[in-house]
Amino acid sequence: LAKTTQPISMDSYEGQEVNITCSHNNIATNDYITWYQQFPSQGPRFIIQGYKTKVTNEVASLFIPADRKSSTLSLPRVSLSDTAVYYCLVGDVRYNAGNNRKLIWGLGTSLAVNP
Amino acid sequence: NAGVTQTPKFQVLKTGQSMTLQCAQDMNHNSMYWYRQDPGMGLRLIYYSASEGTTDKGEVPNGYNVSRLNKREFSLRLESAAPSQTSVYFCASSEPRGPQETQYFGPGTRLLVL
Repeated sequence: LAKTTQPISMDSYEGQEVNITCSHNNIATNDYITWYQQFPSQGPRFIIQGYKTKVTNEVASLFIPADRKSSTLSLPRVSLSDTAVYYCLVGDVRYNAGNNRKLIWGLGTSLAVNP
Repeated sequence: NAGVTQTPKFQVLKTGQSMTLQCAQDMNHNSMYWYRQDPGMGLRLIYYSASEGTTDKGEVPNGYNVSRLNKREFSLRLESAAPSQTSVYFCASSEPRGPQETQYFGPGTRLLVL
């Protein structure tokens, strides 16, 4: 099972772009990379997911190099409401993963966005 | 849709007491999960159920049992609570969409074992 490593904390300011990198050296062929956001006293919320290259949605981009041993979550123009913990998750999330769907979560990166 | 609901929201137990944490989802998802979250430890998978009628151990199953009662409900039972089980417990459900899936989380149950 792949394990992930992320920075414990990051600081930023409103309007800046924030990049959070996750290392997953032992990622397996069938593993996807997923990022979640968690606010205090709430459950995590899905942000973005990808397998390789670049994925973009309305809130973030995910960059995955060819060797897939790391990934970078990019949050454009952060605001105060983006202050949260961000988790990198690596695992086999295919529909037919069955009992292989055992997901390992990183420790999370606590992002503080300052005015 | 309520999404994923969990009861109770808070619970205080004495060592040795038992209790069941309830989880239900109204999204018709096949897969359901139980996690615990401790300070500095991130989320750790306790048990999961890939579909109704099946359950499997996750990373930290010791001291817990689960029941996938039906497609909607997935309960977590502590038979004899220990202080080490003080934690925040999250239930999640997921449904594959194409080649991959995403998980939807409940609001959590905060458990204190004295």
